[in-house]
Amino acid sequence: GAVVSQHPSWVICKSGTSVKIECRSLDFQATTMFWYRQFPKQSLMLMATSNEGSKATYEQGVEKDKFLINHASLTLSTLTVTSAHPEDSSFYICSAGTRSGSNTEAFFGQGTRLTVV
Amino acid sequence: AQKITQTQPGMFVQEKEAVTLDCTYDTSDPSYGLFWYKQPSSGEMIFLIYQGSYDQQNATEGRYSLNFQKARKSANLVISASQLGDSAMYFCAMRELYNFNKFYFGSGTKLNVKP
Repeated sequence: GAVVSQHPSWVICKSGTSVKIECRSLDFQATTMFWYRQFPKQSLMLMATSNEGSKATYEQGVEKDKFLINHASLTLSTLTVTSAHPEDSSFYICSAGTRSGSNTEAFFGQGTRLTVV
Repeated sequence: AQKITQTQPGMFVQEKEAVTLDCTYDTSDPSYGLFWYKQPSSGEMIFLIYQGSYDQQNATEGRYSLNFQKARKSANLVISASQLGDSAMYFCAMRELYNFNKFYFGSGTKLNVKP
């Protein structure tokens, strides 16, 4: 199956700094990528949908100025957590879709565990 | 209203036995897809099985089968011959055709397989 690579797998940063997380589709062109957030023992919550070459669509309640999403190419989307605070500590995971739109195509990255100290 | 409901926060099963994880969904879209994912402690989401709303037969993938009851809007996952490596979180998810980009996830079920 298709591979989605997410980097880094874990990161610890100081409060007030920014952290960038990358999501790459390795063997297919991902026209759409999705960013999720998962708190411990909870489900995945969609944060935003990014489409290559256009602005991301954020879900209600997600601060677009805090969680910057860039999808500059068909193989790379980045999520930047700006001015991170301890409450931003969470597991972030991306997934990628393709233009063909088959319902069976939903590939997830390995996830990034962010800890803000 | 919740799109996906998983009512079992935790389940125990004896090794080699079968277990059913419940999932109900809510949608008015006639075209949708139902998914089950496994999430081990490492965090990655592992795709297990898919059922399309128009599929006549229940999906099966090895030891995984999906008990799809459309009228009841349920899509239970059945794991046969449980193995210790099956211990993980299991998430049911749905994608609607009219809102294709959006996955709705249930709250998950933590499965523990006992030796």
